[in-house]
Amino acid sequence: SAVISQKPSRDICQRGTSLTIQCQVDSQVTMMFWYRQQPGQSLTLIATANQGSEATYESGFVIDKFPISRPNLTFSTLTVSNMSPEDSSIYLCSVEYSGIGAFFGQGTRLTVV
Amino acid sequence: GENVEQHPSTLSVQEGDSAVIKCTYSDSASNYFPWYKQELGKRPQLIIDIRSNVGEKKDQRIAVTLNKTAKHFSLHITETQPEDSAVYFCAASFEGGSEKLVFGKGTKLTVNP
Repeated sequence: SAVISQKPSRDICQRGTSLTIQCQVDSQVTMMFWYRQQPGQSLTLIATANQGSEATYESGFVIDKFPISRPNLTFSTLTVSNMSPEDSSIYLCSVEYSGIGAFFGQGTRLTVV
Repeated sequence: GENVEQHPSTLSVQEGDSAVIKCTYSDSASNYFPWYKQELGKRPQLIIDIRSNVGEKKDQRIAVTLNKTAKHFSLHITETQPEDSAVYFCAASFEGGSEKLVFGKGTKLTVNP
């Protein structure tokens, strides 16, 4: 399986500020995915990040709130902008290897106060 | 889009008993069905998956079955142990297409010693 490093692992942020989460993979992948997992809930896809093109956002998520960068085939960032307490959640990056499966980073536990 | 329903939401069994978790999906194009185990505070871990060209797959005490006609798939855990206690998520995706995973709401499994 892939080694997926995500940071920070947790953060406490003031409302109105932004946080950028980084995801580094130890091998090249075409698609990287960003998920949100609210406390006690399932995983919801925020967007798919392809290298060299704009991210594709799921219904209910917009680029202004969750801008994503994908500068190369091993790295991506997700920014949570203008945060409010409702953004408190765990954010996970994921990569998928065709024929093998999808694997997750350790997650970023975000608390907005 | 795809919708995945998962039942039950909680399941309590005695150590040594079997546990069965069921999922249904809506999009007939989905062809890949993984199962994840998530322990408290940890990332989801892929434990088994099945593709639409097979009906059953087994890995030691864990098995998954797929009924494409009925669009449902199930996770079976035999000889349960306390360390099997976790939240289990099923998911579905279109491998070779969007690749994005749609998750069920999860099942909290408790194995009582």
